[in-house]
Amino acid sequence: QQPVQSPQAVILREGEDAVINCSSSKALYSVHWYRQKHGEAPVFLMILLKGGEQKGHEKISASFNEKKQQSSLYLTASQLSYSGTYFCGTPWNTGNQFYFGTGTSLTVIP
Amino acid sequence: DGGITQSPKYLFRKEGQNVTLSCEQNLNHDAMYWYRQDPGQGLRLIYYSQIVNDFQKGDIAEGYSVSREKKESFPLTVTSAQKNPTAFYLCASSMLPTGQGSYGYTFGSGTRLTVV
Repeated sequence: QQPVQSPQAVILREGEDAVINCSSSKALYSVHWYRQKHGEAPVFLMILLKGGEQKGHEKISASFNEKKQQSSLYLTASQLSYSGTYFCGTPWNTGNQFYFGTGTSLTVIP
Repeated sequence: DGGITQSPKYLFRKEGQNVTLSCEQNLNHDAMYWYRQDPGQGLRLIYYSQIVNDFQKGDIAEGYSVSREKKESFPLTVTSAQKNPTAFYLCASSMLPTGQGSYGYTFGSGTRLTVV
């Protein structure tokens, strides 16, 4: 039931780009993205409500392909502050059970 | 400022003890949630509540109990029946049940529970 994210971990140098994918075995009605710093609570980044929707948040943007049941998070010109674990999340059906993805650890080094 | 307050930040439990984790929000959110996170793992849903005096089990509810007597409060009790309770516990809330609106989750700062 849990969405699967790829890659599991990635290391970038400052200024490099990264893509994090989130795939579901079931239909996606909406997709959330969160970032969690080590030892802290996850922080909401953005939500995509419609298939094909794309959103941006500073240099972080995301797309949602409803037909393929997947979403991708794009980080461009990465900064040290982008380091953390990124989670996608989605409700099953239109109910209120909400599942977070498996997580992607992203480390940006100087 | 509005937000979610979890307490305590660190909690130590002896074998056979019940402990209660506090979660209070002043965001006027309808829905509240409890998640468990193990080291290097994702978040797993324990319980959630959309309305006062009503709550539903998540995937790993065994050994846990909750109450929702007030809209602002959603305490979690870790009972002695939970055999492996050492984990990071996160409380969250949202304006609408997720999936029906444009609002994400707001999380508390978490409680780290350790069995001693």
